[in-house]
Amino acid sequence: DAKTTQPNSMESNEEEPVHLPCNHSTISGTDYIHWYRQLPSQGPEYVIHGLTSNVNNRMASLAIAEDRKSSTLILHRATLRDAAVYYCILRDGKAAGNKLTFGGGTRVLVKP
Amino acid sequence: DAGVIQSPRHEVTEMGQEVTLRCKPISGHNSLFWYRQTMMRGLELLIYFNNNVPIDDSGMPEDRFSAKMPNASFSTLKIQPSEPRDSAVYFCASTFWGSNQPQHFGDGTRLSIL
Repeated sequence: DAKTTQPNSMESNEEEPVHLPCNHSTISGTDYIHWYRQLPSQGPEYVIHGLTSNVNNRMASLAIAEDRKSSTLILHRATLRDAAVYYCILRDGKAAGNKLTFGGGTRVLVKP
Repeated sequence: DAGVIQSPRHEVTEMGQEVTLRCKPISGHNSLFWYRQTMMRGLELLIYFNNNVPIDDSGMPEDRFSAKMPNASFSTLKIQPSEPRDSAVYFCASTFWGSNQPQHFGDGTRLSIL
């Protein structure tokens, strides 16, 4: 699996946007970009995924660079409940299974 | 809707004992994954199944670990004999077998081996 690089941690103020960067310079043409987050004492939960175009859902937006070597997860208005570790994962779209390889992620702290 | 259900939530046992972790996937999902999370190594995939058949067990640390899926609604992960270094949080996840279906995780089993 291609590797991703994320900052170890980020801080944000409540009700402000949070932009979480992810570098994936070795991404292949069939790799999808997936984001999961893990709240304290819980299992990871799916956030969003995309291939080339920007994506929006009720949880977040995913902005993908034109060359696909980086992407940014955007939380539009952070709440205290968004404090979690956010994982950026590349998944090979050619592979039949849904295997995910988790890296270290970015720990997000939201200040009231 | 019920999510992925894992039991027990916490397990404390002495080294050398057999440990059995259980997982009930979301009804209808045909793919199941076992992960282990520690501070040192993060989240690691141990093994995954499709239609109850093990597909990739390359992440299983050693022969002391075994996993089974006797039917579509139940899976077990066994450690025998257990060792203190097996202490970790073990997560089960399920999904539909397909290219981009999200995985749904349980709340995990926190295992402590004394």
